Amino acid sequence: QSVLTQPPSVSGAPGQRVTISCNGSNSNIGAGYDVHWYQHLPRAAPKVLIYSDTNRPSEVPDRFSGSKSGSSATLAITGLQATDEADYYCQSYDRSLSDWVFGGGTKLTVL
Amino acid sequence: QLQLVQSGGEVKEPGASVKVSCKASGFIFSNFAFSWVRQAPGHGLEWVGWVSAVNGQTDYAQKFRDRVMMTTDTSTTTAYMVLKSLRSDDTAVYYCARNGLTNGVDVWGQGSTVTVSS
Repeated sequence: QSVLTQPPSVSGAPGQRVTISCNGSNSNIGAGYDVHWYQHLPRAAPKVLIYSDTNRPSEVPDRFSGSKSGSSATLAITGLQATDEADYYCQSYDRSLSDWVFGGGTKLTVL
Repeated sequence: QLQLVQSGGEVKEPGASVKVSCKASGFIFSNFAFSWVRQAPGHGLEWVGWVSAVNGQTDYAQKFRDRVMMTTDTSTTTAYMVLKSLRSDDTAVYYCARNGLTNGVDVWGQGSTVTVSS
Protein backbone atom coordinates (compact mmCIF):
# COMPACT_ATOMS: atom_id res chain seq x y z
CA GLN A 1 0.00 0.00 0.00
CA SER A 2 1.65 3.22 -1.20
CA VAL A 3 1.59 6.36 0.92
CA LEU A 4 0.74 8.34 -2.21
CA THR A 5 -2.33 7.02 -4.03
CA GLN A 6 -2.57 7.02 -7.82
CA PRO A 7 -5.13 5.37 -10.11
CA PRO A 8 -3.69 2.12 -11.49
CA SER A 9 -4.59 3.06 -15.05
CA VAL A 10 -5.94 5.84 -17.24
CA SER A 11 -6.58 5.92 -20.97
CA GLY A 12 -7.41 8.35 -23.73
CA ALA A 13 -7.58 8.67 -27.48
CA PRO A 14 -4.88 10.48 -29.47
CA GLY A 15 -5.29 14.23 -29.13
CA GLN A 16 -7.33 14.03 -25.93
CA ARG A 17 -6.48 15.32 -22.46
CA VAL A 18 -5.98 13.05 -19.47
CA THR A 19 -5.17 13.72 -15.83
CA ILE A 20 -3.45 11.54 -13.24
CA SER A 21 -4.10 12.22 -9.57
CA CYS A 22 -1.72 11.71 -6.66
CA ASN A 23 -3.43 11.78 -3.27
CA GLY A 24 -1.36 12.14 -0.13
CA SER A 25 -1.82 13.43 3.41
CA ASN A 26 -0.79 16.13 5.86
CA SER A 27 2.52 14.38 6.42
CA ASN A 28 3.66 14.63 2.80
CA ILE A 29 2.00 16.67 0.03
CA GLY A 30 -0.26 18.50 2.48
CA ALA A 31 2.77 19.49 4.55
CA GLY A 32 4.10 21.43 1.59
CA TYR A 33 6.78 19.05 0.37
CA ASP A 34 7.62 19.20 -3.33
CA VAL A 35 5.93 16.74 -5.66
CA HIS A 36 7.83 15.36 -8.64
CA TRP A 37 6.47 13.35 -11.55
CA TYR A 38 8.43 10.73 -13.46
CA GLN A 39 7.68 9.03 -16.76
CA HIS A 40 8.84 5.42 -17.08
CA LEU A 41 8.80 4.13 -20.63
CA PRO A 42 9.14 0.40 -21.27
CA ARG A 43 12.75 -0.83 -21.22
CA ALA A 44 14.10 2.60 -20.28
CA ALA A 45 15.16 4.46 -17.17
CA PRO A 46 12.60 6.79 -15.60
CA LYS A 47 12.91 10.48 -16.41
CA VAL A 48 11.67 13.56 -14.59
CA LEU A 49 8.62 15.09 -16.23
CA ILE A 50 7.54 17.72 -13.70
CA TYR A 51 9.56 18.86 -10.68
CA SER A 52 8.66 20.86 -7.59
CA ASP A 53 4.91 20.66 -8.23
CA THR A 54 4.61 22.66 -11.45
CA ASN A 55 8.02 23.04 -13.15
CA ARG A 56 8.89 21.40 -16.44
CA PRO A 57 12.46 20.60 -17.59
CA SER A 58 13.28 22.41 -20.82
CA GLU A 59 13.28 19.20 -22.87
CA VAL A 60 9.77 18.18 -21.78
CA PRO A 61 6.96 19.34 -24.11
CA ASP A 62 4.48 21.86 -22.73
CA ARG A 63 1.72 19.27 -23.25
CA PHE A 64 2.70 18.09 -19.77
CA SER A 65 1.78 20.18 -16.73
CA GLY A 66 1.56 19.74 -12.97
CA SER A 67 -0.54 21.27 -10.24
CA LYS A 68 -0.98 20.87 -6.49
CA SER A 69 -3.81 21.67 -4.10
CA GLY A 70 -4.00 20.69 -0.45
CA SER A 71 -2.83 17.11 -0.05
CA SER A 72 -3.16 16.22 -3.73
CA ALA A 73 -1.23 16.76 -6.93
CA THR A 74 -2.25 16.27 -10.54
CA LEU A 75 -0.39 15.60 -13.76
CA ALA A 76 -2.19 16.71 -16.92
CA ILE A 77 -1.30 15.60 -20.44
CA THR A 78 -2.90 17.30 -23.42
CA GLY A 79 -2.74 16.33 -27.10
CA LEU A 80 -2.16 12.67 -26.25
CA GLN A 81 0.31 10.85 -28.49
CA ALA A 82 1.07 7.15 -28.85
CA THR A 83 4.57 7.82 -27.53
CA ASP A 84 3.06 8.94 -24.21
CA GLU A 85 2.20 5.33 -23.35
CA ALA A 86 4.17 4.72 -20.17
CA ASP A 87 3.95 4.38 -16.42
CA TYR A 88 3.77 7.65 -14.48
CA TYR A 89 4.82 8.07 -10.85
CA CYS A 90 4.43 10.90 -8.37
CA GLN A 91 7.03 11.25 -5.60
CA SER A 92 7.42 13.37 -2.48
CA TYR A 93 8.79 13.29 1.06
CA ASP A 94 6.89 12.01 4.09
CA ARG A 95 7.84 13.55 7.43
CA SER A 96 6.16 10.85 9.53
CA LEU A 97 8.21 8.13 7.83
CA SER A 98 11.23 10.39 7.23
CA ASP A 99 11.35 8.68 3.83
CA TRP A 100 10.99 9.64 0.20
CA VAL A 101 7.77 8.08 -1.06
CA PHE A 102 6.46 7.15 -4.50
CA GLY A 103 2.92 6.69 -5.67
CA GLY A 104 2.01 3.22 -6.86
CA GLY A 105 2.23 4.31 -10.48
CA THR A 106 -0.35 4.85 -13.22
CA LYS A 107 -0.27 3.06 -16.55
CA LEU A 108 -1.33 5.35 -19.39
CA THR A 109 -2.82 3.67 -22.45
CA VAL A 110 -3.36 5.62 -25.66
CA LEU A 111 -6.33 4.03 -27.41
CA GLN B 1 26.52 15.04 -21.16
CA LEU B 2 25.14 14.14 -17.76
CA GLN B 3 25.46 10.41 -17.37
CA LEU B 4 25.21 7.66 -14.77
CA VAL B 5 26.46 4.26 -15.92
CA GLN B 6 25.70 1.29 -13.71
CA SER B 7 27.30 -2.12 -13.34
CA GLY B 8 25.87 -5.20 -15.00
CA GLY B 9 23.31 -7.69 -13.82
CA GLU B 10 23.99 -10.02 -10.92
CA VAL B 11 22.59 -13.37 -9.82
CA LYS B 12 22.92 -14.13 -6.12
CA GLU B 13 21.77 -16.87 -3.78
CA PRO B 14 19.50 -16.08 -0.82
CA GLY B 15 21.48 -14.80 2.14
CA ALA B 16 24.30 -13.39 0.00
CA SER B 17 25.23 -9.74 -0.56
CA VAL B 18 25.33 -7.72 -3.77
CA LYS B 19 27.30 -4.59 -4.64
CA VAL B 20 26.07 -2.31 -7.43
CA SER B 21 28.11 0.57 -8.80
CA CYS B 22 27.13 3.79 -10.53
CA LYS B 23 29.78 5.84 -12.36
CA ALA B 24 28.98 9.51 -12.93
CA SER B 25 30.26 11.82 -15.63
CA GLY B 26 29.44 15.20 -17.13
CA PHE B 27 29.02 17.09 -13.84
CA ILE B 28 30.82 17.76 -10.55
CA PHE B 29 30.27 14.51 -8.66
CA SER B 30 31.23 15.87 -5.24
CA ASN B 31 28.46 18.49 -5.35
CA PHE B 32 25.64 15.97 -5.19
CA ALA B 33 24.02 13.13 -3.31
CA PHE B 34 22.87 9.96 -5.08
CA SER B 35 19.77 7.90 -4.53
CA TRP B 36 19.03 4.26 -5.18
CA VAL B 37 15.53 3.29 -6.33
CA ARG B 38 14.36 -0.19 -7.17
CA GLN B 39 11.54 -1.77 -9.16
CA ALA B 40 10.59 -5.37 -8.49
CA PRO B 41 8.83 -7.31 -11.25
CA GLY B 42 5.22 -6.20 -11.51
CA HIS B 43 5.69 -3.49 -8.90
CA GLY B 44 6.25 0.25 -8.84
CA LEU B 45 9.26 2.35 -7.92
CA GLU B 46 10.59 2.11 -4.37
CA TRP B 47 13.16 4.43 -2.78
CA VAL B 48 16.01 2.58 -1.04
CA GLY B 49 18.07 5.52 0.23
CA TRP B 50 20.67 8.13 -0.67
CA VAL B 51 24.33 8.88 -0.02
CA SER B 52 26.02 12.25 -0.22
CA ALA B 53 29.24 12.64 -2.19
CA VAL B 54 29.70 15.96 -0.39
CA ASN B 55 30.19 14.58 3.11
CA GLY B 56 29.31 10.86 3.08
CA GLN B 57 26.01 11.39 4.88
CA THR B 58 23.43 8.69 4.27
CA ASP B 59 19.67 8.36 4.65
CA TYR B 60 18.14 4.93 4.22
CA ALA B 61 14.48 3.98 3.91
CA GLN B 62 13.22 2.39 7.11
CA LYS B 63 12.59 -0.88 5.33
CA PHE B 64 16.26 -1.30 4.35
CA ARG B 65 18.03 0.37 7.24
CA ASP B 66 19.51 -2.82 8.71
CA ARG B 67 20.59 -4.36 5.38
CA VAL B 68 21.90 -1.61 3.11
CA MET B 69 25.08 0.42 2.94
CA MET B 70 25.76 3.21 0.46
CA THR B 71 29.11 4.85 -0.21
CA THR B 72 30.81 7.10 -2.74
CA ASP B 73 34.34 7.33 -4.10
CA THR B 74 35.07 10.86 -5.26
CA SER B 75 38.37 9.80 -6.87
CA THR B 76 36.51 7.61 -9.36
CA THR B 77 33.18 9.53 -9.28
CA THR B 78 31.38 6.34 -8.41
CA ALA B 79 28.51 5.63 -6.02
CA TYR B 80 27.97 2.19 -4.54
CA MET B 81 25.15 0.29 -2.92
CA VAL B 82 25.58 -2.94 -0.96
CA LEU B 83 22.46 -4.91 -0.03
CA LYS B 84 22.99 -7.77 2.43
CA SER B 85 21.01 -10.85 3.49
CA LEU B 86 19.33 -11.04 0.10
CA ARG B 87 15.88 -12.58 -0.20
CA SER B 88 13.92 -13.60 -3.26
CA ASP B 89 11.79 -10.48 -2.99
CA ASP B 90 14.92 -8.35 -3.45
CA THR B 91 14.88 -9.43 -7.09
CA ALA B 92 14.51 -6.13 -8.92
CA VAL B 93 16.04 -3.57 -11.22
CA TYR B 94 18.08 -1.16 -9.11
CA TYR B 95 18.51 2.39 -10.40
CA CYS B 96 20.94 5.01 -9.20
CA ALA B 97 19.96 8.63 -9.67
CA ARG B 98 21.33 12.08 -8.90
CA ASN B 99 19.66 14.11 -6.16
CA GLY B 100 19.37 17.24 -8.27
CA LEU B 101 15.92 18.23 -6.99
CA THR B 102 14.54 19.07 -3.55
CA ASN B 103 13.86 15.58 -2.15
CA GLY B 104 13.96 14.22 -5.71
CA VAL B 105 16.20 13.06 -8.55
CA ASP B 106 16.87 14.50 -11.97
CA VAL B 107 19.29 12.12 -13.73
CA TRP B 108 18.92 8.34 -13.76
CA GLY B 109 21.23 5.44 -14.51
CA GLN B 110 20.21 2.69 -16.90
CA GLY B 111 19.42 0.21 -14.12
CA SER B 112 21.09 -2.98 -12.84
CA THR B 113 19.15 -6.23 -12.58
CA VAL B 114 19.68 -8.19 -9.38
CA THR B 115 18.21 -11.68 -9.33
CA VAL B 116 18.06 -13.62 -6.08
CA SER B 117 17.57 -17.31 -6.66
CA SER B 118 18.85 -20.60 -5.36
